[in-house]
Amino acid sequence: GAGVSQSPSNKVTEKGKDVELRCDPISGHTALYWYRQSLGQGLEFLIYFQGNSAPDKSGLPSDRFSAERTGGSVSTLTIQRTQQEDSAVYLCASSYKGRGVLQETQYFGPGTRLLVL
Amino acid sequence: AQKITQTQPGMFVQEKEAVTLDCTYDTSDPSYGLFWYKQPSSGEMIFLIYQGSYDQQNATEGRYSLNFQKARKSANLVISASQLGDSAMYFCAMTHGYDKVIFGPGTSLSVIP
Repeated sequence: GAGVSQSPSNKVTEKGKDVELRCDPISGHTALYWYRQSLGQGLEFLIYFQGNSAPDKSGLPSDRFSAERTGGSVSTLTIQRTQQEDSAVYLCASSYKGRGVLQETQYFGPGTRLLVL
Repeated sequence: AQKITQTQPGMFVQEKEAVTLDCTYDTSDPSYGLFWYKQPSSGEMIFLIYQGSYDQQNATEGRYSLNFQKARKSANLVISASQLGDSAMYFCAMTHGYDKVIFGPGTSLSVIP
């Protein structure tokens, strides 16, 4: 079956512009995550959606970042007034989070490489 | 606070040899899960192996095995018979509460022909 897909694969923008990054999770997966990975660094958690629950936004670095998930499926990460330090790879992952399930193998998309000039 | 430590920023291994990538963790959760992911230069994150904290046996998946030492809070990844395609970044990760997974800083593995 299809894996997690993300678009665009690459995005170059000018400082101050807004960008939208899209994630299509694996069908049937209830949980969706956004991470940011700066060059040569590990993964930085941004935001987490689980079913119809309120998202966990604790990782968002500033109020310029927001995300939504429509219909429990596709998610959009929006960065307003982009800054050069926003340049990174933005990774989306999804998982099946069953009730009482601890194991949560996350399946990742290919990422969106964002460059802010 | 939950934390993942990978003390080896870079590792080299000869092709066909085995290599161990270190991972230690700190958690106050009585039940947790541990993961290893591989990230080749192309950028995708590939799930390799999972170990539950109550699993009695060490997890194995093909050439990958997880050396789980609960008392020492370590979850080292062992790759047997290294191949050139194993050259990548490797991330250790752990469940954080019920909802999150936290990742370590990663280890870069280079396989030498």
